[in-house]
Amino acid sequence: AQKVTQAQTEISVVEKEDVTLDCVYETRDTTYYLFWYKQPPSGELVFLIRRNSFDEQNEISGRYSWNFQKSTSSFNFTITASQVVDSAVYFCALRGPFQGAQKLVFGQGTRLTINP
Amino acid sequence: NAGVTQTPKFQVLKTGQSMTLQCAQDMNHNSMYWYRQDPGMGLRLIYYSASEGTTDKGEVPNGYNVSRLNKREFSLRLESAAPSQTSVYFCASSEMAVSNQPQHFGDGTRLSIL
Repeated sequence: AQKVTQAQTEISVVEKEDVTLDCVYETRDTTYYLFWYKQPPSGELVFLIRRNSFDEQNEISGRYSWNFQKSTSSFNFTITASQVVDSAVYFCALRGPFQGAQKLVFGQGTRLTINP
Repeated sequence: NAGVTQTPKFQVLKTGQSMTLQCAQDMNHNSMYWYRQDPGMGLRLIYYSASEGTTDKGEVPNGYNVSRLNKREFSLRLESAAPSQTSVYFCASSEMAVSNQPQHFGDGTRLSIL
């Protein structure tokens, strides 16, 4: 069975601090896909990034970076120089390789609060 | 460029009432999904439709039914609402043929059952 664990329920930091959101996953598939979504206070879910299991390169997009390590089954998300607008709930999600409906398994989410 | 549209955005029901949540996407996606979001539990899959004409149960299907009306529309029905179904419901869609494509979500329907 697939499972995603986000052990940090809530994180609160002061603006401009760096913050890392942890994501640990379980799967028996050798091919799989990992995602991060952002849910701002307005409630919608915004896709941030996708990572394929066969591509372990880390990725940076502006102040956001992602560290994928298959050896520890982790896909962590770091925000550098955090801003108040980064306040949101962040979800990590996992999907298997099969064609057809691509069901996502979500973690419980981490509520991030950036204080001015 | 609407993406995934859900209606209504908010609804209050009494226990035992029925209701249908509507979802439509304009991205020509094959697959559509219904999730519910409850505090501390992330999103859980209720039902999904791999393609037009097919539907399958997800993790928490009890108390719900779905209809894939056409390629664009996927509705979720509560036949006899219960307080345990108070939740935020999200519809999503994705391109079936390419397995690494993200799901795109609607803005959600906030449903309260009294």
